[in-house]
Parts: sequence; structure tokens; C-alpha cells
Amino acid sequence: SQKIEQNSEALNIQEGKTATLTCNYTNYSPAYLQWYRQDPGRGPVFLLLIRENEKEKRKERLKVTFDTTLKQSLFHITASQPADSATYLCALASRSNYQLIWGAGTKLIIKP
Amino acid sequence: GAGVSQSPSNKVTEKGKDVELRCDPISGHTALYWYRQSLGQGLEFLIYFQGNSAPDKSGLPSDRFSAERTGGSVSTLTIQRTQQEDSAVYLCASSLLDTDTQYFGPGTRLTVL
Repeated sequence: SQKIEQNSEALNIQEGKTATLTCNYTNYSPAYLQWYRQDPGRGPVFLLLIRENEKEKRKERLKVTFDTTLKQSLFHITASQPADSATYLCALASRSNYQLIWGAGTKLIIKP
Repeated sequence: GAGVSQSPSNKVTEKGKDVELRCDPISGHTALYWYRQSLGQGLEFLIYFQGNSAPDKSGLPSDRFSAERTGGSVSTLTIQRTQQEDSAVYLCASSLLDTDTQYFGPGTRLTVL
């Protein structure tokens, strides 16, 4: 069956360090992958999109990589700040219908 | 401009009652999605509207769930004869195209007692 996995355990990172979050998938042929941020009591907010033919995408302190051989995307936040603390969700769009399939998210905690 | 809005923000109801949840998408967005999110879980797709096409209802968990989108804009999700397992946050999202970034509303937290 199709599955998207994100680390369910919270990730604790010291302020200033790089935080790396993982999204693994099985049985998909993704057209693209998106990363969203979700704060408590709010809907997800789009951060970055990376297509199947792209290896890496950057936006300010954010970097996403996409390895279709490993079936994995990594999401990096450099020079992390306490304000980066949130839950980060990855979502895959399959080539068949472009519907987004969502991971459960990883909670990131940046400690000052 | 205005983002996606949802109402009510919170809804507490008794088991067996019907509820209606409303979503106002961003003006001009042709695609509209409803999701359900239970505590600590990912988003569960419920239904998708795209323009005048027939909606994709493949995610609706039972025939107690239905949704409408009037005039290609406002959408209403209706849950009939609510059950305790329906308790969750119901999120609405819209996008300009179905392959585009989704913009989410703040959600409606439904609690069925």
C-alpha cells in the first residue's frame, strides 16, 4: 500500500543549529513533493515545492532535497530559531491524479 | 487579500445531531479541498471540487458525510447523525489550479459528545 512516513517523535534542536526532517515514501510515483508548516490551532502553511526532476530547492534558511531513488525528501532549516518551532508536514502529489497525500508531520522544537 | 476562512471555529454537538461546516475559499481559486485531521495525525482527504467538474468524493468516510460547493465559491461540509469518532479538526483549502499550492483555512474543531 502507499505510505508516507515522517518521524513521529519530536525533534529537539539547539538554537543556531541545522534542523533536518525526513519524509520517506513507498509505492508512489511522485510528480512533486511539498513541505508545509503547521502551528497549533492553525491550518498548514506552504513552504516549498520540489519536483521529481529536481534534486534540491532553497528558500532563505530552508533547503529541501528529493531523492527519488531512495524515495526520500529531507527538509533542512539552517541557523534555526525558536520561532521555527512548529510541526512540519510533507505531502506528495502522485502523477496519476495530483492529489496530495500527507504525512503525519514531525514536531520541531528549537531550544534557546 | 483575504485568505481562506472557515466557520465556525469550534463546534460542540451531541451524538446523533447534524452539523454544517462552512468554507470561504480565496476568490478566484477553482480548486477546493476538505480534509480531516485527528490529534497527532496527518491530513485525511475527504472531498475535492474543481471548477464545474463532478467532485471527487473518494475520501468521504461514510454516507453521513456530504459536501456542496455553490457558485464555484463557498462550500459546506455536512455531517449527519454525528458520531464521537467524527470529532476532529476539519480543514478546508483552496488553490488556483489543482496542481498548485494549497492555502488552508484555520479549521473547524468539531467535538461530538
